[in-house]
Amino acid sequence: GENVEQHPSTLSVQEGDSAVIKCTYSDSASNYFPWYKQELGKRPQLIIDIRSNVGEKKDQRIAVTLNKTAKHFSLHITETQPEDSAVYFCAASKGIQGAQKLVFGQGTRLTINP
Amino acid sequence: DTEVTQTPKHLVMGMTNKKSLKCEQHMGHRAMYWYKQKAKKPPELMFVYSYEKLSINESVPSRFSPECPNSSLLNLHLHALQPEDSALYLCASRPVGAGNTIYFGEGSWLTVV
Repeated sequence: GENVEQHPSTLSVQEGDSAVIKCTYSDSASNYFPWYKQELGKRPQLIIDIRSNVGEKKDQRIAVTLNKTAKHFSLHITETQPEDSAVYFCAASKGIQGAQKLVFGQGTRLTINP
Repeated sequence: DTEVTQTPKHLVMGMTNKKSLKCEQHMGHRAMYWYKQKAKKPPELMFVYSYEKLSINESVPSRFSPECPNSSLLNLHLHALQPEDSALYLCASRPVGAGNTIYFGEGSWLTVV
């Protein structure tokens, strides 16, 4: 089955600097790659996603890149702010038996230092 | 309306109790999911329903029993749970089709005593 590796497990950056989180996946059939932000005690919230036919996507301070050949994708957050502090999960998804199965990475705890 | 609603938000149950978690969405999504999340871990898939039929069961113990009465509702029946089953249980839904967003509910915090 699919295996998603996420690095680093913790990341601390100064406010205003950039943060990068990287993920690799194992199943070349995976075709959808979302990123979720989860604050303490809350649900995972989708922040950006990318489909396998796209190499890069940007939404304001957040961008995601996908390298299908290497089977890795990355989240880039620029001009970080204290409210960006949270746990971030990458995920990979493919269709199985009429449904999409989402497999998560282990998460990255991002801390923004003021 | 992009809400997935879960009840109850918190549940404490004994190991001999029978209880249920409920999930509801009115977005017309035909795929619904149960995930389990332990502290400091990612969500872990339990079950997937597609068009009200169980399509994926990730080898979940039979003390967890899912039910999808209609396209808007998803239940998780709990019986004879163990303390290690204490976790956040997340329901999610998604429009059927490739590469569509999964929407998570707020979750139900379960404590088994």
